[in-house]
Amino acid sequence: AQSVTQPDIHITVSEGASLELRCNYSYGATPYLFWYVQSPGQGLQLLLKYFSGDTLVQGIKGFEAEFKRSQSSFNLRKPSVHWSDAAEYFCAVGGNQFYFGTGTSLTVIP
Amino acid sequence: DTGVSQNPRHKITKRGQNVTFRCDPISEHNRLYWYRQTLGQGPEFLTYFQNEAQLEKSRLLSDRFSAERPKGSFSTLEIQRTEQGDSAMYLCASLPGGPRSYNEQFFGPGTRLTVL
Repeated sequence: AQSVTQPDIHITVSEGASLELRCNYSYGATPYLFWYVQSPGQGLQLLLKYFSGDTLVQGIKGFEAEFKRSQSSFNLRKPSVHWSDAAEYFCAVGGNQFYFGTGTSLTVIP
Repeated sequence: DTGVSQNPRHKITKRGQNVTFRCDPISEHNRLYWYRQTLGQGPEFLTYFQNEAQLEKSRLLSDRFSAERPKGSFSTLEIQRTEQGDSAMYLCASLPGGPRSYNEQFFGPGTRLTVL
């Protein structure tokens, strides 16, 4: 069965610190993988996507993610977090149908 | 603004009433998706269309839920005999389809339903 697990419900980091959000997936075929961000009252915005090729993908706002097939993971990283990064982050997998994780809420402290 | 619009943005209704939501996708996008998002959860896939054809509807939550996309442009999601458990955000997304789309979905702002 297809599914996405985001094991961290909530993460707090200091501004300027590095960030890693975890995502593990289960998918029967070659996965198309995505990270979305959702700020309060805002719609879902695509941060980055992976389809094939280079397993390290770059996205918007300084985010990157690495696809590791052997670990069924697609973790999101950012070297230095800004206060404006505080939001809910969702990992998703899919092709015709899409499956989202439950999200990780990020708090950034000054 | 992604170019996907949803109306209304908020809907308050009484239990047992019917509600209908509308989604207008980006005009050249031929695939359209509906999701439900409850508090503290990620979007939950409900159904999707390729042009006017509804290709998957088994994940609609019950037979009270139905969706249409009659001319392959806008879509409507109807919930009949609403229940308090239907209270949620209903999201619409569109994507171009085809080999160069990379399955990148563009989400609308959502319709928040409150059932009293």
